Amino acid sequence: GQQVMQIPQYQHVQEGEDFTTYCNSSTTLSNIQWYKQRPGGHPVFLIQLVKSGEVKKQKRLTFQFGEAKKNSSLHITATQTTDVGTYFCAYPNFGNEKLTFGTGTRLTIIP
Amino acid sequence: NAGVTQTPKFQVLKTGQSMTLQCAQDMNHNSMYWYRQDPGMGLRLIYYSASEGTTDKGEVPNGYNVSRLNKREFSLRLESAAPSQTSVYFCASSFSGRETQYFGPGTRLLVL
Repeated sequence: GQQVMQIPQYQHVQEGEDFTTYCNSSTTLSNIQWYKQRPGGHPVFLIQLVKSGEVKKQKRLTFQFGEAKKNSSLHITATQTTDVGTYFCAYPNFGNEKLTFGTGTRLTIIP
Repeated sequence: NAGVTQTPKFQVLKTGQSMTLQCAQDMNHNSMYWYRQDPGMGLRLIYYSASEGTTDKGEVPNGYNVSRLNKREFSLRLESAAPSQTSVYFCASSFSGRETQYFGPGTRLLVL
């Protein structure tokens, strides 16, 4: 069956350092989405990747979808305190009936 | 355009009490979802409704029931609350199952 792992579970970085979270699937994904949840808040959609090898940027955030559409990453350059939160990947289940959310990566920033 | 709204925002229940969490969306979405999120944990799907008139179990449905009242509204009912149901409950909606989900602000539930 389909298995997707999101790593790492936690990441503590000094402010200004870079941060990366990964989602790795055992099967090809039709698309992958990324969400951010601030502490005490609700998940908010960031971006969707659909094409093989796709790379999208939002200011300091870079999102990649692997050539085989089995892997995706979210990279933040020069983290700021506003980046604190949990980042989730989400992908359609096998029947494309609904999204399944990854376990999330919690980012904390050391000022 | 309020997006997804949830009521109440906070609730304290005693073990055995019942309550209904309300969710409404004004985006004309077909699909709606209920998740729970325990402290420091990820999202677990309780129930979802792919379209008006249908509901399906998610990952953790035991102890809950749902009603898709109409296209806009999707309620979650706890018939006999247990301390293990202490959590934050999020409602979400999307145009279809594989599309972007929009979340409500959540209901923080404490069961004593």
